[in-house]
Amino acid sequence: ETGVTQTPRHLVMGMTNKKSLKCEQHLGHNAMYWYKQSAKKPLELMFVYSLEERVENNSVPSRFSPECPNSSHLFLHLHTLQPEDSALYLCASSQDPQSGGAPDTQYFGPGTRLTVL
Amino acid sequence: GENVEQHPSTLSVQEGDSAVIKCTYSDSASNYFPWYKQELGKRPQLIIDIRSNVGEKKDQRIAVTLNKTAKHFSLHITETQPEDSAVYFCAANSGYALNFGKGTSLLVTP
Repeated sequence: ETGVTQTPRHLVMGMTNKKSLKCEQHLGHNAMYWYKQSAKKPLELMFVYSLEERVENNSVPSRFSPECPNSSHLFLHLHTLQPEDSALYLCASSQDPQSGGAPDTQYFGPGTRLTVL
Repeated sequence: GENVEQHPSTLSVQEGDSAVIKCTYSDSASNYFPWYKQELGKRPQLIIDIRSNVGEKKDQRIAVTLNKTAKHFSLHITETQPEDSAVYFCAANSGYALNFGKGTSLLVTP
């Protein structure tokens, strides 16, 4: 598969488990994003990495921990989640907007459907 | 932070009719306004975007208009087809972030 890929596509976990979501982009981009999509709510930006540095953290609880080892890979480590964390987690990538420059198009992965029991 | 309001939340039209979805934003520094289409069980996909240096952009049956003074932008779909049925999201940038509206569920009936 080309573009932006995510694994796993579905995940069921208990509140005491530790799991990780993986995202990989094959577009040569240098910015990557994690979003949370819940029913009846807008897409919520969680984290932004640009040039492998975290540039935004939107008041996300510490039970979510991102990692960006290189410009093609992004992880979201999960531990001691709550049932209200059940949602679709979407990864996206784009070219880095550059300081003061215009934003570039974000391309989304297919998402990981997470259920926390 | 940026607040993006989107209306209507649901829209039902007959095939061949036009559909209009409207969004407002609050950050006067926003300069990029994409629209995404998300079909059931699939990822959001960009259908059209507009930047603040233009007021209107068209791509076949889809057009977007932007009024920076009033801080609102709209998506227009003409000659709608059943395959246009999906959830449509508007967004406005705030720095690196894209702030999304809550989405409009469009149903095109044959």
